Amino acid sequence: DIVLTQSPATLSVTPGESVSLSCRASQGISTSIHWYQQKSNESPRLLIKFASQSISGIPSRFSGSGSGTDFTLSINRVESEDFSVYYCQQSYSLPLTFGSGTKLEIK
Amino acid sequence: EVQLQQSGPELRRPGSSVKLSCKASGYSITDYLMHWVKHRPEHGLEWIGWIDPEDGETKYAQKFQSKATLTADTSSNTAYMQLSSLTSEDTATYFCARMTMMTPGWFAYWGQGTLVTVSS
Repeated sequence: DIVLTQSPATLSVTPGESVSLSCRASQGISTSIHWYQQKSNESPRLLIKFASQSISGIPSRFSGSGSGTDFTLSINRVESEDFSVYYCQQSYSLPLTFGSGTKLEIK
Repeated sequence: EVQLQQSGPELRRPGSSVKLSCKASGYSITDYLMHWVKHRPEHGLEWIGWIDPEDGETKYAQKFQSKATLTADTSSNTAYMQLSSLTSEDTATYFCARMTMMTPGWFAYWGQGTLVTVSS
């Protein structure tokens, strides 16, 4: 199984700061990584597909990059509504797997 | 508009089973695989498996092979997941989810989730 390691586990920031969240795969997965935001008691929401492809309706402050084993989700100027948990997911091979998540919290 | 409407919260005793439903609207469930995902806040998200409602073919993550059974009723456009021999480890929110293609990719559509609580 492909293991996705997300870091940091928790990131404390002030609104207006820009942040980068990391997702590292246990083997090369090309660009088969997708990013989600999940708020408490809600379903996950897709933010980025295939590492860097934008999603309709998602604010432009969210962007993704990377290929192979190292991937990054960047949020330019964090807003109050962005404080939640972020997960990466790989679709390179079955079983599909998710990272353990990064919690973005208010400093 | 694609929507996935899941059944309500469940409370079960250890050792029992539960069957969750996911009713699709806005499309025919035979056109796409239906996936199920487990969420526990302290453990994150786990993929359980998928079912192809067109022919009933299923694929499970090894961890859930003996725990989950996926079925579908095309006449009601509904997918189901039965969880057996429940333990406290099965206490979680379970989501049904759909991709935009038949090959593995990203989850574009999610149900609202069903909370299953296992407690004596």
